[in-house]
Amino acid sequence: GNSVTQMEGPVTLSEEAFLTINCTYTATGYPSLFWYVQYPGEGLQLLLKATKADDKGSNKGFEATYRKETTSFHLEKGSVQVSDSAVYFCALSGAGTASKLTFGTGTRLQVTL
Amino acid sequence: GAVVSQHPSWVICKSGTSVKIECRSLDFQATTMFWYRQFPKQSLMLMATSNEGSKATYEQGVEKDKFLINHASLTLSTLTVTSAHPEDSSFYICSATSGTAGGVNQPQHFGDGTRLSIL
Repeated sequence: GNSVTQMEGPVTLSEEAFLTINCTYTATGYPSLFWYVQYPGEGLQLLLKATKADDKGSNKGFEATYRKETTSFHLEKGSVQVSDSAVYFCALSGAGTASKLTFGTGTRLQVTL
Repeated sequence: GAVVSQHPSWVICKSGTSVKIECRSLDFQATTMFWYRQFPKQSLMLMATSNEGSKATYEQGVEKDKFLINHASLTLSTLTVTSAHPEDSSFYICSATSGTAGGVNQPQHFGDGTRLSIL
């Protein structure tokens, strides 16, 4: 079956530091890949997505590249801000699964001044 | 962007009562809606998938008589927690999608969640 593995958190960074959150996946066929962000007490917001190999999703300074050869979709940001503190979920939607998502366990990011 | 509204955002009620949570897609037609449950500091657990006009598909271990789902229109799905007990206290989140376009699964758009506390 489909699965998503994320690096465990929490990740604590100083403002303006470089961020990488690793995500690898297992799926048959060609899944779509997503990063969602959850701020405290809220639902999830779609941060970025990629639907085919070598696609790069980007939004708000975050980016992730769909790497089929390494089955990865690592999230990166060059300079984090305090406002980026949240939980980040990597997810995939398998081909033919009517958009059903498989989530990773989430990685909590804490950015300090 | 796509907006999903979930209501109420927070509810406290006595044990034994039933609670209804609404999930609305405000600017798109949601052919499929999903209901999740999230425990503190954990990932989302899919409870059920509902398609407009048909019965919901429940994940293994989720009691369909306990968690009633109705998806009567392309913009509204409801989750009713029947005879709620303290162990049902959790954060419930809905999401909606317009399905598949051009062979590509469209993203799910999430509501802000409902925090349910059963006393």
